[in-house]
Amino acid sequence: NAGVTQTPKFQVLKTGQSMTLQCAQDMNHNSMYWYRQDPGMGLRLIYYSASEGTTDKGEVPNGYNVSRLNKREFSLRLESAAPSQTSVYFCASGGGLAGETQYFGPGTRLLVL
Amino acid sequence: KQEVTQIPAALSVPEGENLVLNCSFTDSAIYNLQWFRQDPGKGLTSLLLIQSSQREQTSGRLNASLDKSSGRSTLYIAASQPGDSATYLCAVISSGSARQLTFGSGTQLTVLP
Repeated sequence: NAGVTQTPKFQVLKTGQSMTLQCAQDMNHNSMYWYRQDPGMGLRLIYYSASEGTTDKGEVPNGYNVSRLNKREFSLRLESAAPSQTSVYFCASGGGLAGETQYFGPGTRLLVL
Repeated sequence: KQEVTQIPAALSVPEGENLVLNCSFTDSAIYNLQWFRQDPGKGLTSLLLIQSSQREQTSGRLNASLDKSSGRSTLYIAASQPGDSATYLCAVISSGSARQLTFGSGTQLTVLP
């Protein structure tokens, strides 16, 4: 039981390049989330998916797109990376209307030059 | 808009001390409140979840309380150990936004041997 897994662990991009961050969970959760964590600002929600086939914007969605590929997988895409997107990105699953806890992946550290 | 504040931003204590971490939120209409632990370079681990109808939750040496009317929560750690050194994050789910966790920026705890 791996929980929430993320790939890659670390990535360096040049401004304007694109990339997709991958996330998978094996806990059969309906809800999945993408957060970014910046120094001194806590975690902020980028996008979430309440169930397979649905996605909604969070607090900071600009510059990102997401895909809920199936119940297990939720990917985050940066179409044209900017230095302001340098951050640590966390995927999570669980939570939802039942009010259960969210389970977090280990994070992806992204540096945009 | 819900805002979550954690004070202090950093705390250093000698081993064995009992300590309290504070969390405050601006909108008392919350669904639940969670405390997480984050080790350096790692993801978040859920410690305690308090539903809005509850006043406190306990797990081992940890006790979290919730006072919705005053918009406050505390995390009490008894008999602190060096292994407790980590960043502790408080997060709330606001009513009407059942899936969106709003995080505080955390308290970095160092327990000195």
